[in-house]
Amino acid sequence: KQEVTQIPAALSVPEGENLVLNCSFTDSAIYNLQWFRQDPGKGLTSLLLIQSSQREQTSGRLNASLDKSSGRSTLYIAASQPGDSATYLCAVSRTSGTYKYIFGTGTRLKVLA
Amino acid sequence: DGGITQSPKYLFRKEGQNVTLSCEQNLNHDAMYWYRQDPGQGLRLIYYSQIVNDFQKGDIAEGYSVSREKKESFPLTVTSAQKNPTAFYLCASSIDLGVGGLRTDTQYFGPGTRLTVL
Repeated sequence: KQEVTQIPAALSVPEGENLVLNCSFTDSAIYNLQWFRQDPGKGLTSLLLIQSSQREQTSGRLNASLDKSSGRSTLYIAASQPGDSATYLCAVSRTSGTYKYIFGTGTRLKVLA
Repeated sequence: DGGITQSPKYLFRKEGQNVTLSCEQNLNHDAMYWYRQDPGQGLRLIYYSQIVNDFQKGDIAEGYSVSREKKESFPLTVTSAQKNPTAFYLCASSIDLGVGGLRTDTQYFGPGTRLTVL
């Protein structure tokens, strides 16, 4: 059974710092992995999607990497800003059976001005 | 503007009542999903639909029902059989599930409905 873990559960950093959020999954047979952002009481916004054949994806100050064999993904945020404060979730899709995404519990990030 | 709308934003239910949460999308997406989010937990899939008039149970379908009569609409009914319905409910859509359920595309989420049982 696929399990997705995100560590740390919460993180506070000063503005301007580069940071890394971690996502690990137990079954490497995934089709793709997505990183999402969720603001309090709101829906999720997709940040980056990495197909299993890719190693990384970049969007602005965000860079996500994927190492399927070790069951890990990292989300790198460069030059963090207070507006980056949110919960970040990763989700992996299954390759067998019907479509489903398995979500991690998220990392709650606070960037201090 | 294209997107997904959910209504209402807040919903209060008395025990024993059925309530229906609305989800509408104008993205022309084939696939739609319902998730439940509880504090400290990840999203859990309730139901999903690949095409009109077809839907499949997710991981926690008991006590819920859905319909997919139109491509743009995927309402969720929380029945009295759901023992612990207080949660944040999120609807999502994507272009399609792909061949054999393998190809997946970016999911777009609605703003959510917070359901509270009184």
